Amino acid sequence: AQTVTQSQPEMSVQEAETVTLSCTYDTSENNYYLFWYKQPPSRQMILVIRQEAYKQQNATENRFSVNFQKAAKSFSLKISDSQLGDTAMYFCAFMNRDDKIIFGKGTRLHILP
Amino acid sequence: DTGVSQDPRHKITKRGQNVTFRCDPISEHNRLYWYRQTLGQGPEFLTYFQNEAQLEKSRLLSDRFSAERPKGSFSTLEIQRTEQGDSAMYLCASSLNPTGASEKLFFGSGTQLSVL
Repeated sequence: AQTVTQSQPEMSVQEAETVTLSCTYDTSENNYYLFWYKQPPSRQMILVIRQEAYKQQNATENRFSVNFQKAAKSFSLKISDSQLGDTAMYFCAFMNRDDKIIFGKGTRLHILP
Repeated sequence: DTGVSQDPRHKITKRGQNVTFRCDPISEHNRLYWYRQTLGQGPEFLTYFQNEAQLEKSRLLSDRFSAERPKGSFSTLEIQRTEQGDSAMYLCASSLNPTGASEKLFFGSGTQLSVL
């Protein structure tokens, strides 16, 4: 069974700094998708970034980028120039070929003014 | 509004009562998912549909839980004989899944269930 592990329950950084959230996963599959979702206090889940496992190039979306290490089964999220609005829970997620998404337990990120 | 809609937003019920939640996915989306989330935890997979067919139901889900998507559009999730441990946010999500290609999930705002 696939599992997703986020080892940082909570993190705090100063506004404008760069922060990296860690995620590891376990799977025997070769083709899959990885995601980072953001859940602000409103609890609406918002897709931040997505990575296809068959692509070696790391995905980027504006201030958000990932470091995808397929052999190590690692998928970290880097947030550059952090903003107060980035304060939220961040969930790493894995999608297998059956299109079922498995989520990690999340990292609570606080951006401090 | 063309997003995923869930109703009700909040539900308070007494232990032992039955509750039913509704999810309206984005209109052209053929995949529909139900997740449960407790405070401070990640969403836990419950079940999902491809059109009207239920593809998988989590082994963690008791027989008190049932979900339907009768016409391949909206879906309902029913919990019978609710227990206090059922208190959680129930999230619905949908995606367009053309020819097996995985597409991103769009989530609704959830239904917060409180069992007293």
